[in-house]
Amino acid sequence: GENVEQHPSTLSVQEGDSAVIKCTYSDSASNYFPWYKQELGKRPQLIIDIRSNVGEKKDQRIAVTLNKTAKHFSLHITETQPEDSAVYFCAATSGGSYIPTFGRGTSLIVHP
Amino acid sequence: GAVVSQHPSWVICKSGTSVKIECRSLDFQATTMFWYRQFPKQSLMLMATSNEGSKATYEQGVEKDKFLINHASLTLSTLTVTSAHPEDSSFYICSAEGRDGQETQYFGPGTRLLVL
Repeated sequence: GENVEQHPSTLSVQEGDSAVIKCTYSDSASNYFPWYKQELGKRPQLIIDIRSNVGEKKDQRIAVTLNKTAKHFSLHITETQPEDSAVYFCAATSGGSYIPTFGRGTSLIVHP
Repeated sequence: GAVVSQHPSWVICKSGTSVKIECRSLDFQATTMFWYRQFPKQSLMLMATSNEGSKATYEQGVEKDKFLINHASLTLSTLTVTSAHPEDSSFYICSAEGRDGQETQYFGPGTRLLVL
């Protein structure tokens, strides 16, 4: 089955700095890679996703890059704000199965 | 949008009792729903995949007789924790996948279960 590794487990940055979270996956058949943000005690919310036919996708301060050859994808948050503080999960989904495999999560702390 | 609700949002029960958690897709039909449990500061652990009109598929290590799943309609899946014990205390989250052929998961708000 799919195995998703996520690093780092915790990330502390100053407001205004950039934050990068990296994930690797094992199943070359995976073709959908969403990123979720989960605030304490709340549901995970989809913030951005990318499919295997695209190398990069950007939405305002958030961007995701995908390297299919190396089987890794990354989340980039620029100009971080305190409200970006949360746990971020990456996931990989194989085509046809629709069952996502989640990374272990990254706790992002943005200091004002 | 794609809204998923869960009920109850939290429940406290005595050891040995059963607890039913409902997951509903409010504005779309969900052929597939997923049930996760999440311990503090940990990732989402998939428990089972619930398919409308058929038996759920359980992940390895998840007892199907303890965690009963019923997906009776395209908008409702239920998870029943039978004979709950303190070690079952956790945050249970469902997610639904829409019929648009996309893999996007829409999560419910979660149910916090505390077994005394």
